[in-house]
Amino acid sequence: NAGVMQNPRHLVRRRGQEARLRCSPMKGHSHVYWYRQLPEEGLKFMVYLQKENIIDESGMPKERFSAEFPKEGPSILRIQQVVRGDSAAYFCASAYSNRVGNTEAFFGQGTRLTVV
Amino acid sequence: SQQGEEDPQALSIQEGENATMNCSYKTSINNLQWYRQNSGRGLVHLILIRSNEREKHSGRLRVTLDTSKKSSSLLITASRAADTASYFCATASEYGNKLVFGAGTILRVKS
Repeated sequence: NAGVMQNPRHLVRRRGQEARLRCSPMKGHSHVYWYRQLPEEGLKFMVYLQKENIIDESGMPKERFSAEFPKEGPSILRIQQVVRGDSAAYFCASAYSNRVGNTEAFFGQGTRLTVV
Repeated sequence: SQQGEEDPQALSIQEGENATMNCSYKTSINNLQWYRQNSGRGLVHLILIRSNEREKHSGRLRVTLDTSKKSSSLLITASRAADTASYFCATASEYGNKLVFGAGTILRVKS
């Protein structure tokens, strides 16, 4: 079991470009969570998805950010028209249960986005 | 607003000493979890303590939970240089469908 796989590990984008971050959950996990982490800070929840459904996107900025978890393939976090303030580490986590508070969440190594 | 808040923000100790980190939260919880994050890496789950438990052990880790004070502590005994990392507490949201993290404690263990 390869664990949660995120790619790319590092991504550099110019202001105004699009950033696409991919996350493959652990085998057998159908619950995916995206978090953003700024330097020296904790993780901020962005969105929770199940296969083909967005369950909770209360942490997603209203504009430019979107996420999907298709029936086949990885979950994608897309940031359109990136700005310097989007520079951060983006982490994906997966869990077996939808009650993630009752079970361990497995995290990927993150994608470090730098907007220049 | 953040559910969990850790203190201290940073802690520096010598190898072999014990390290204690505290976490406070604001609302009722079912469980509380602790995670570790090495520099530049993802988070690794350490331990989960349920609301009806007061103390839990795992190797050199000891976690306590006081639901009346809405606080938890993580004790690492006989610390090692490899314990150098950031430590986060996390609680589940009201519907249990997402984890909310505190700002973390940065632990540095000097050899």
